[in-house]
Amino acid sequence: AQSVAQPEDQVNVAEGNPLTVKCTYSVSGNPYLFWYVQYPNRGLQFLLKYITGDNLVKGSYGFEAEFNKSQTSFHLKKPSALVSDSALYFCAVSAPNDYKLSFGAGTTVTVRA
Amino acid sequence: KAGVTQTPRYLIKTRGQQVTLSCSPISGHRSVSWYQQTPGQGLQFLFEYFSETQRNKGNFPGRFSGRQFSNSRSEMNVSTLELGDSALYLCASSLREGSPDYGYTFGSGTRLTVV
Repeated sequence: AQSVAQPEDQVNVAEGNPLTVKCTYSVSGNPYLFWYVQYPNRGLQFLLKYITGDNLVKGSYGFEAEFNKSQTSFHLKKPSALVSDSALYFCAVSAPNDYKLSFGAGTTVTVRA
Repeated sequence: KAGVTQTPRYLIKTRGQQVTLSCSPISGHRSVSWYQQTPGQGLQFLFEYFSETQRNKGNFPGRFSGRQFSNSRSEMNVSTLELGDSALYLCASSLREGSPDYGYTFGSGTRLTVV
């Protein structure tokens, strides 16, 4: 069985400060890892993914994430947060030939001006 | 190119009725999967189809069913609706694993309210 843990329900940061959203996962085999963002009453918007290759992945809107196999983590980071980054963030994992995503519970990010 | 299209956006149904939701994937995507999002349970996988075949199914009662057509469009059906079925239903489409652009693109969802 595969699972994702997002240990923080909420993250609050000031605009211009670094933003980190934590994610750890459990899966059999090599993981496919994803980050999505959701704004109110909207679907999930893709930010970035790790499938294979470089452990540091760069994505949309200045976000990046680092795949750490030994710690089974895939934390999302942004060097300088914007007020418009305030949203709900989901980490998800899939396994080869499993054809489904397992999501974390989500982390609400609030960036104050 | 056009994204994943889900219709309708909003739906209100009465307990005991049935409902059909539609999802049109990105052109060229042959995999379509469905997810239910509720405040209490979060995002849960319902099922996935590829070339009209269901390849995986989540832990939902048999009242939840789906199908995929030859043009990759998919529908999901919920029969005998219960209040607890009120949720945002999200559809995602994907290229096959191993494709350079493999990944899941989600639609805007259908908000189902059961009264």
